[in-house]
Amino acid sequence: DTAVSQTPKYLVTQMGNDKSIKCEQNLGHDTMYWYKQDSKKFLKIMFSYNNKELIINETVPNRFSPKSPDKAHLNLHINSLELGDSAVYFCASAPKPGSRQYFGPGTRLTVL
Amino acid sequence: AQSVSQHNHHVILSEAASLELGCNYSYGGTVNLFWYVQYPGQHLQLLLKYFSGDPLVKGIKGFEAEFIKSKFSFNLRKPSVQWSDTAEYFCAVSYNTDKLIFGTGTRLQVFP
Repeated sequence: DTAVSQTPKYLVTQMGNDKSIKCEQNLGHDTMYWYKQDSKKFLKIMFSYNNKELIINETVPNRFSPKSPDKAHLNLHINSLELGDSAVYFCASAPKPGSRQYFGPGTRLTVL
Repeated sequence: AQSVSQHNHHVILSEAASLELGCNYSYGGTVNLFWYVQYPGQHLQLLLKYFSGDPLVKGIKGFEAEFIKSKFSFNLRKPSVQWSDTAEYFCAVSYNTDKLIFGTGTRLQVFP
């Protein structure tokens, strides 16, 4: 019954590896987001998709690539992981761009 | 389980009315507290935060919040709301420097 789910909840990996975080929503929403919670716990928007189309791409390294196979899923793939990528990543969904968002539980990524 | 509750799901006010939005969190040790705001058509923005020190925190646009440790509360207040304050307001808590946990949000509508 979880509305917005993320897997895995915790991810520990070595520098240089490639990893993916998955996000799924069962709310029938058209819009999905990825946020990064930085070291000061501030939330920063990374990407937003609407109907599988990228509509927001903030200043994020090219190593980060979102993929939306369908409206219910927005996965985040990260290449060549760096120490500075360690953070908590939140997925969210909304009925349409700019409307109220529903957050996933977050994925804590630790790069060693 | 650690959780955040926002009891007011939808608040409707006239301009110049005073605002107080409730936020309660479950006990869990050291907490950092946040209020985020999402204006119509926009993304989340940080309104204010509490890490330590003076429990009365002032944020942007005339908002303030008071951390009352004995009540596990961090209510958001504004003496006189404006039409432009119409937005979704999210309370968030970080326990022991862990990831953010969001409340379900409060929709504020202000009518002229």
